[in-house]
Amino acid sequence: QSVLTQPPSASGTPGQRVTISCSGSSSNIGSNTVNWYQQLPGTAPKLLIYSNHQRPSGVPDRFSGSKSGTSASLAISGLQSEDEADYYCAAWDDSLNGYVFGTGTKVTVL
Amino acid sequence: QITLKESGPTLVQPTQTLTLTCTFSGFSLSTTGVSVGWIRQPPGKALECLALIYWDDDKRYSPSLKSRLTITKDTSKNQVVLTMTSMDPVDTATYYCAHMAPGEGFDPWGQGTLVTVSS
Repeated sequence: QSVLTQPPSASGTPGQRVTISCSGSSSNIGSNTVNWYQQLPGTAPKLLIYSNHQRPSGVPDRFSGSKSGTSASLAISGLQSEDEADYYCAAWDDSLNGYVFGTGTKVTVL
Repeated sequence: QITLKESGPTLVQPTQTLTLTCTFSGFSLSTTGVSVGWIRQPPGKALECLALIYWDDDKRYSPSLKSRLTITKDTSKNQVVLTMTSMDPVDTATYYCAHMAPGEGFDPWGQGTLVTVSS
């Protein structure tokens, strides 16, 4: 099972701001950077945020990431229907000596 | 432009060994810092990183699956191969390979290949 914990679901109406949390420990989030992935239905995951808050080219600035201690957050502002997807946090874990993903959060646009 | 594509069997019998190949273009796995990883996703479940191989042939495995996994690379063919022994129905999943640059996450990903373990 995953060592990074996310809420199973989050929702909002178009235009709202939605925040997803990712809780870890000192061996992963506490000592390494966090990445976020978006997985649209039926497709492969896509890198959304890397190094806690950096956006790859082409990712809208509606998506933002932050980290504090052993937790991280992804915020989606100005929620759009096309943002309906599963979101995963991830980080390197020094104890496991491997890359770990979060449990995933399904975002629904109401 | 970096692309990756997974190939291998779609159906595997229990106890058999699975061999998956990731064929990529747009980068070299001999470039310092670059790695390729294998990630799987059982139907309706979360992502799980299985293994990574680095440009210098360093390897990392999921601790829970380490005894069953082997990852290798063929730089001249631009391929990374993952073998998983003793397949079980719980290993039914979509298997992805993905590129990772130093300090960044997995980007991009291959399209994935669904492997079903069943007799």
